[in-house]
Amino acid sequence: EPEVTQTPSHQVTQMGQEVILRCVPISNHLYFYWYRQILGQKVEFLVSFYNNEISEKSEIFDDQFSVERPDGSNFTLKIRSTKLEDSAMYFCASSGFSGDTGELFFGEGSRLTVL
Amino acid sequence: KNQVEQSPQSLIILEGKNCTLQCNYTVSPFSNLRWYKQDTGRGPVSLTIMTFSENTKSNGRYTATLDADTKQSSLHITASQLSDSASYICVVRRETGANNLFFGTGTRLTVIP
Repeated sequence: EPEVTQTPSHQVTQMGQEVILRCVPISNHLYFYWYRQILGQKVEFLVSFYNNEISEKSEIFDDQFSVERPDGSNFTLKIRSTKLEDSAMYFCASSGFSGDTGELFFGEGSRLTVL
Repeated sequence: KNQVEQSPQSLIILEGKNCTLQCNYTVSPFSNLRWYKQDTGRGPVSLTIMTFSENTKSNGRYTATLDADTKQSSLHITASQLSDSASYICVVRRETGANNLFFGTGTRLTVIP
């Protein structure tokens, strides 16, 4: 069964360092998303991506964040200079279409710990 | 304001017992509502989807209901199993907007032997 894969599963980094989280969405999907979940809190939307550009982003997704789809298969989230509060689980998701019933398929998540 | 509220926050039940989780929402205009199961440390997985015209839908031991008038949904789990231990998240989709999904905080279910 097709699935969204994410790497790394866990990354520990020092505050101020750059981090790149990688995702391989399901191959025929068109819409891609990043969400984050701080421990014990709800899942929060970061950004959606379609047709090689950002379609929407949240207030959380400030200038420190960027996304790319460099090669038509990978979808990356970059955090330029990490802060302690960036520690969270980051989920990539993809969807085949943005129709009313479009289901999001989530990856297993990348746990980021900023020290 | 578009919000999704879930209750209870956490629940502990004995294996084999039934339970019901609640979801209230204010998202408008409403498109659909999904219940996701999230195992610890893993991504959410869709259990069922409810559209405006549907009142009840079953998926194995899971039965979801939707009352679009009162903007409430429930997820009923029958004959619980240890593997049902997880967080159950209610996600409501709004008709418009690229970011049109609103997540509840989830109910943490623990099934004990």
